[in-house]
Amino acid sequence: SSELTQDPAVSVALGQTVRITCQGDSLRTYFPSWYQQKPGQAPTLVFYGENNRPSGIPDRFSASNSGNTASLTITGAQVEDEADYFCNSRDNSGNYNYVFGPGTTVTV
Amino acid sequence: EVQLVQSGAEVKKPRATVKISCKISGYSFTDYYIHWIQQAPGKGFQWMGLVDPHDGETIFAENFQGRITISADRSTDTVYLELSSLKSEDTGIYYCARDFTQTHYDSSGYCDFWGQGTAVTVSS
Repeated sequence: SSELTQDPAVSVALGQTVRITCQGDSLRTYFPSWYQQKPGQAPTLVFYGENNRPSGIPDRFSASNSGNTASLTITGAQVEDEADYFCNSRDNSGNYNYVFGPGTTVTV
Repeated sequence: EVQLVQSGAEVKKPRATVKISCKISGYSFTDYYIHWIQQAPGKGFQWMGLVDPHDGETIFAENFQGRITISADRSTDTVYLELSSLKSEDTGIYYCARDFTQTHYDSSGYCDFWGQGTAVTVSS
């Protein structure tokens, strides 16, 4: 199956901008989704598809896609954005499957 | 309000079977696919499979083929995950999650609502 890779951790100063990247061959075929997970909680969808933010997600969250790389950007990071962020996409290796990145821990 | 409420934590011995429920409310049960996703220590998230509650059709990940069953009970608006031949590596948290795409389209894999998770511990 395909794999998605992410940097393990990133730090950002309060109010500054942070970009989280996700790389994988499946991203050449399928747009990803991005999930935020805080300790002890279920994931929350924060961005999906080509350019879609679910209702209730602040507009400081944005995303982009190019080739085999997808990025989630938090512009003006807040304390409440401190969490793990996971990318996810359909697998393009032949079998019906969805793959997840290992996650990036964002520290604000 | 859309809610997916899962059953409680389970402790199982190796080679046993676990069955987890996911009670749906707040929308028409048959309108959206439901996925099951495993979060295991050291392995991250793994997609396990999905069910179309409209007709019960399922798709399973290759990694779980042969020991996974997913079913949908339209009389109680509940989806079930059954995993057999448990191993210590199956220890983790299991989530049900709603695909935001309606069932008359192909699943998108974008999960907009999640259950609270069910912890499963496999230990002798």
